[in-house]
Amino acid sequence: SQELEQSPQSLIVQEGKNLTINCTSSKTLYGLYWYKQKYGEGLIFLMMLQKGGEEKSHEKITAKLDEKKQQSSLHITASQPSHAGIYLCGAANQAGTALIFGKGTTLSVSS
Amino acid sequence: DTAVSQTPKYLVTQMGNDKSIKCEQNLGHDTMYWYKQDSKKFLKIMFSYNNKELIINETVPNRFSPKSPDKAHLNLHINSLELGDSAVYFCASSQGPQMEQYFGPGTRLTVT
Repeated sequence: SQELEQSPQSLIVQEGKNLTINCTSSKTLYGLYWYKQKYGEGLIFLMMLQKGGEEKSHEKITAKLDEKKQQSSLHITASQPSHAGIYLCGAANQAGTALIFGKGTTLSVSS
Repeated sequence: DTAVSQTPKYLVTQMGNDKSIKCEQNLGHDTMYWYKQDSKKFLKIMFSYNNKELIINETVPNRFSPKSPDKAHLNLHINSLELGDSAVYFCASSQGPQMEQYFGPGTRLTVT
């Protein structure tokens, strides 16, 4: 079965610093999704990547998909306290009927 | 306007009881899902429904049964609750396969 490994597991950065979270799949990626979860809340959809080499940005968050490496990265520029939370990557199974999630990266931003 | 809503938000019950969690989406999506997030925050698919047909069931005990009265609702019924069922359950919906999923706020189930 497919597995997604996220690194690092947790991250503490100072406000204003840049950071990168990685997500590596054990199998071919048919679609890669990034979500953010705040404690006690649901998941907020950030971005979806489907094609190798694809890159998307929203405000200060950029996600890239390296299909050959079966890997995606999420980069946050000039981090703010509002970026704190758990970032989860999810991969669609081949049939597209479910998402398989990594174990998440917990981000803390100190001011 | 809440896109995906779940009730209740918190549910505390005793072992052996039967309980239900309700989910509704107002996005007009064709596919709905149930996920379980354990104490280590690991999120795992339980069921998905597409046009009222169950299309996936990931080795979930048959004490769990999804029921969809219509395209906008997917309820989760749990019989004979066990301690290990304690978790946060999330409902989600998407326009179709390979489309982004939108999640509800979650239901925290505690079995004592």
